[in-house]
Amino acid sequence: DAKTTQPNSMESNEEEPVHLPCNHSTISGTDYIHWYRQLPSQGPEYVIHGLTSNVNNRMASLAIAEDRKSSTLILHRATLRDAAVYYCILRNNAGNMLTFGGGTRLMVKP
Amino acid sequence: DTAVSQTPKYLVTQMGNDKSIKCEQNLGHDTMYWYKQDSKKFLKIMFSYNNKELIINETVPNRFSPKSPDKAHLNLHINSLELGDSAVYFCASSQDWSRGRQGYGYTFGSGTRLTVV
Repeated sequence: DAKTTQPNSMESNEEEPVHLPCNHSTISGTDYIHWYRQLPSQGPEYVIHGLTSNVNNRMASLAIAEDRKSSTLILHRATLRDAAVYYCILRNNAGNMLTFGGGTRLMVKP
Repeated sequence: DTAVSQTPKYLVTQMGNDKSIKCEQNLGHDTMYWYKQDSKKFLKIMFSYNNKELIINETVPNRFSPKSPDKAHLNLHINSLELGDSAVYFCASSQDWSRGRQGYGYTFGSGTRLTVV
């Protein structure tokens, strides 16, 4: 799977929007962009995924650049419970593995 | 109902012992996985099973042996435990990737914290 690059950490204030960036300049046409998060002492949790168009669900929104070389996970109103490590992962149909990088540790201040 | 359940949640054991971790999923998924998260918090794939058949073994020592009695269960047996095996082990499941369902997400268990002393 192609590689992704994320900032190591970010801070946000409670109830403010958070934009978590991810660069994936070597993305191929069949790569889906997945986001997972891992809350403290829990297993990773699926957040959202997309291919070309922007996506919204109850947890977050995913904005995908037109050239697909970057994407942004948007939490519209951060809460203290959103403090977690967020992973941006590319997944294609050539392999079965979900390969995790270092992710972005999001800290939310009250 | 828990979608992916692992037992035990905590496991403390001595070097040289043999131990097993069990995993069960009730989602009807075809594929199951074991991941290891070490002290530096990196998550690494260990094994992947599709319909009870091993499809990925990521250079894991032979002391680790997964066993899948049916597609809802994937157990991990570890022989001759070493200090370096201390980590959190996560089980996960997903839809069958070979059917082009690479867009679908994984569901993870809550992890088993293994401590070897």
